[in-house]
Amino acid sequence: AQSVSQHNHHVILSEAASLELGCNYSYGGTVNLFWYVQYPGQHLQLLLKYFSGDPLVKGIKGFEAEFIKSKFSFNLRKPSVQWSDTAEYFCAVNAPSYGNNRLAFGKGNQVVVIP
Amino acid sequence: GAGVSQSPSNKVTEKGKDVELRCDPISGHTALYWYRQSLGQGLEFLIYFQGNSAPDKSGLPSDRFSAERTGGSVSTLTIQRTQQEDSAVYLCASSSGYNSPLHFGNGTRLTVT
Repeated sequence: AQSVSQHNHHVILSEAASLELGCNYSYGGTVNLFWYVQYPGQHLQLLLKYFSGDPLVKGIKGFEAEFIKSKFSFNLRKPSVQWSDTAEYFCAVNAPSYGNNRLAFGKGNQVVVIP
Repeated sequence: GAGVSQSPSNKVTEKGKDVELRCDPISGHTALYWYRQSLGQGLEFLIYFQGNSAPDKSGLPSDRFSAERTGGSVSTLTIQRTQQEDSAVYLCASSSGYNSPLHFGNGTRLTVT
């Protein structure tokens, strides 16, 4: 079955530390990849997305993600986190070329940044 | 502009009762999704509507769950004979196409006692 895997569900780090969240998917073929973020008390919102082209994509608030096709991965990174980055982060994938338009989400990473 | 609106925001119901959850998507968005969010389980896909196409119901966990989308706009998710394991936050999202970002509502928190 198609799936999206996120590891290290709970991450605690200090301000200015670097952050990397892993995302692996099991879809074959062409995929669209997304990272969504849910800040405390807010609804989910898009952080960044990859459809094609440069595999290193940049999103809002200094986040970036790298698509590595051979590893079926789309890891999220930020070089220096801030307290305001405390949130839950979700990786999501769809494969429209296979007639699969539904967006499948991973279980999320709860990130807590300590001031 | 107006975002995705869900109602009610909170719903407490007794086991065995039926509930209806409503979603008003962003005007003009052709795609509408329902997800269920439980603690530690991430977002579980339930159902997806795209325009006039047959909905993708593959995520509905049992035949107690159903959803419809009238006139390509408002959607209702119905859970019959609710069980305690149905307790979760039910999220609705809409988008203008499969390559477009999803816009989420604030969800309906369902508690089955």
